[in-house]
Amino acid sequence: QQQVKQSPQSLIVQKGGISIINCAYENTAFDYFPWYQQFPGKGPALLIAIRPDVSEKKEGRFTISFNKSAKQFSLHIMDSQPGDSATYFCAEGRGSTLGRLYFGRGTQLTVWP
Amino acid sequence: DTGVSQDPRHKITKRGQNVTFRCDPISEHNRLYWYRQTLGQGPEFLTYFQNEAQLEKSRLLSDRFSAERPKGSFSTLEIQRTEQGDSAMYLCASSDQGQPQHFGDGTRLSIL
Repeated sequence: QQQVKQSPQSLIVQKGGISIINCAYENTAFDYFPWYQQFPGKGPALLIAIRPDVSEKKEGRFTISFNKSAKQFSLHIMDSQPGDSATYFCAEGRGSTLGRLYFGRGTQLTVWP
Repeated sequence: DTGVSQDPRHKITKRGQNVTFRCDPISEHNRLYWYRQTLGQGPEFLTYFQNEAQLEKSRLLSDRFSAERPKGSFSTLEIQRTEQGDSAMYLCASSDQGQPQHFGDGTRLSIL
């Protein structure tokens, strides 16, 4: 059922560094791409979302870059902090209805001091 | 904003037993979603409701699974004759139509 491919599976970054997580999709019918952050024992929390009509969206230290021709999008976490250590999921959906989401397998990010 | 509430948080049961989970969405949200998440995987869609109407069901939702949202508010997910493979985190999310989904903290099901 997972149609969006996410990499890397795990990522270790030094405090203050940039964390980059990539996702690739296949179905161009999808036009809504959110990123969720999940801490152990908690549900996923929406971080930021983008639609293909923009190439980049920034919210605080989090930026989504979108490459429509390559069918890829990525999450950049600037000035990574230990509190950012969590699992990050990209997802895809149909923006017109925002029904079901298809999630990637997740990236476990560890930011060490 | 009390968020999406799920009950129970944890459920341990023996194989073959029936279990029921409850989800209370954010009060003004008309859409309610169920997902299942296993260890090391992203959430997988099960079904969703708009008000009391069940609009879509995944092939993952076998005959042993049933979901209801009788009054368009809270929802229940029942699993009959549980199997080892049903062990997972069951997540509920809610949204306004056309708006992002907000997730609860899930019900962790363990089958002995």
